[in-house]
Amino acid sequence: EVQLVESGGGLVQPGGSLRLSCAASGFTFSSYWMSWVRQAPGKGLEWVANIKQDGSEKYYVDSVKGRFTISRDNAKNSLYLQMNSLRAEDTAVYYCARNPRGANMDVWGKGTTVTVSS
Amino acid sequence: QSALTQPASVSGSPGQSITISCTGTSSDVGGYNYVSWYQQHPGKAPKLMIYDVSNRPSGVSNRFSGSKSGNTASLTISGLQAEDEADYYCSSYTSSSTLVFGTGTKVTVL
Repeated sequence: EVQLVESGGGLVQPGGSLRLSCAASGFTFSSYWMSWVRQAPGKGLEWVANIKQDGSEKYYVDSVKGRFTISRDNAKNSLYLQMNSLRAEDTAVYYCARNPRGANMDVWGKGTTVTVSS
Repeated sequence: QSALTQPASVSGSPGQSITISCTGTSSDVGGYNYVSWYQQHPGKAPKLMIYDVSNRPSGVSNRFSGSKSGNTASLTISGLQAEDEADYYCSSYTSSSTLVFGTGTKVTVL
């Protein structure tokens, strides 16, 4: 079964850091671009970042550039999102998604919740 | 990286057809045939319904169809059913090699 499972969410103070993980199974992880997408409470979806199969290309939404870093370990079938200098507006459910091509995100995890609050 | 524009809500009676629009620019929707549509039920992860403007993934009902004209993409749901009540989001590839979502549309089945 093709599956993505996120972990690492939690409560963190403003200015703090958190590292999200996404474990992939059931498909050849190293063959796909991967994305992180977030959804603030009661709000719409926001694409955050994506990464090429070999990690050589990474793209970010402007609001997280310089603060968030996407990475992957193909040997461990895992995707990561290192989040630094967290702000209240980063509070959201964070989803990882398989991103075969363009805007196509065909497999999604169930999400992990990040809350930034003092 | 402005969000694509969708109507906040669309409603229809069972059996009717509805269309949701998604308006961007020549740097995203109008510039590439990389528009996708997602359905999201409350508390659930999004589900891919349409990709590359008009293609349906395996398992998605043929009541869902997509199209594009200029800078505006559209999702049509025909034969509206109660289970179609959900939030719908479009997404597009952009000239900056990033992705952008639409503002989202709440579909209500009357």
